[in-house]
Amino acid sequence: DTAVSQTPKYLVTQMGNDKSIKCEQNLGHDTMYWYKQDSKKFLKIMFSYNNKELIINETVPNRFSPKSPDKAHLNLHINSLELGDSAVYFCASSQDNLLGRNIQYFGAGTRLSVL
Amino acid sequence: QKEVEQNSGPLSVPEGAIASLNCTYSDRGSQSFFWYRQYSGKSPELIMFIYSNGDKEDGRFTAQLNKASQYVSLLIRDSQPSDSATYLCAVKWSDKIIFGKGTRLHILP
Repeated sequence: DTAVSQTPKYLVTQMGNDKSIKCEQNLGHDTMYWYKQDSKKFLKIMFSYNNKELIINETVPNRFSPKSPDKAHLNLHINSLELGDSAVYFCASSQDNLLGRNIQYFGAGTRLSVL
Repeated sequence: QKEVEQNSGPLSVPEGAIASLNCTYSDRGSQSFFWYRQYSGKSPELIMFIYSNGDKEDGRFTAQLNKASQYVSLLIRDSQPSDSATYLCAVKWSDKIIFGKGTRLHILP
């Protein structure tokens, strides 16, 4: 019944490795997002996809590559992990409408620790 | 550079009192305004949203929006220990939502 689910919940890995985080939403929403929340709890948008198309791509290293096979899934692949990538990554989804109203529903987060 | 500013706190409020959380934003073209609550180790969850100037009430929560002053606030009446959390203000411009850095609220029993 989980509306936005992401896996894994915890990810511990060595520097230089490549890892992926998966996200799925069963709300029928058109838009999905990836956010990064650092140790100071600042929540910053990384990517946004609408109907499988990239609409927001913030200043994020190109080691981060989102992939959306369909509008219910938005996965995040990270190459050559660095210490500074350690953070909590949240997936979210929303259903936009013409009035620009956009309530976001968040997954439980993936805590990434790069050693 | 669009910005959303919040006082990081912690804001300490006695149980039963009114907690007042404030947020300012930089762009007059902002369309929608949201308050999210985030407990430690958990994901953000929506508390209130507001689109028009004025007040919007939902239970113990009231959101206030003043577009002329570019200011949005959240009032929590009859504060409870369970209200202790970080409160994130979020503002929508076009396709983008910008979050503030959050205010930590601590309700004193």
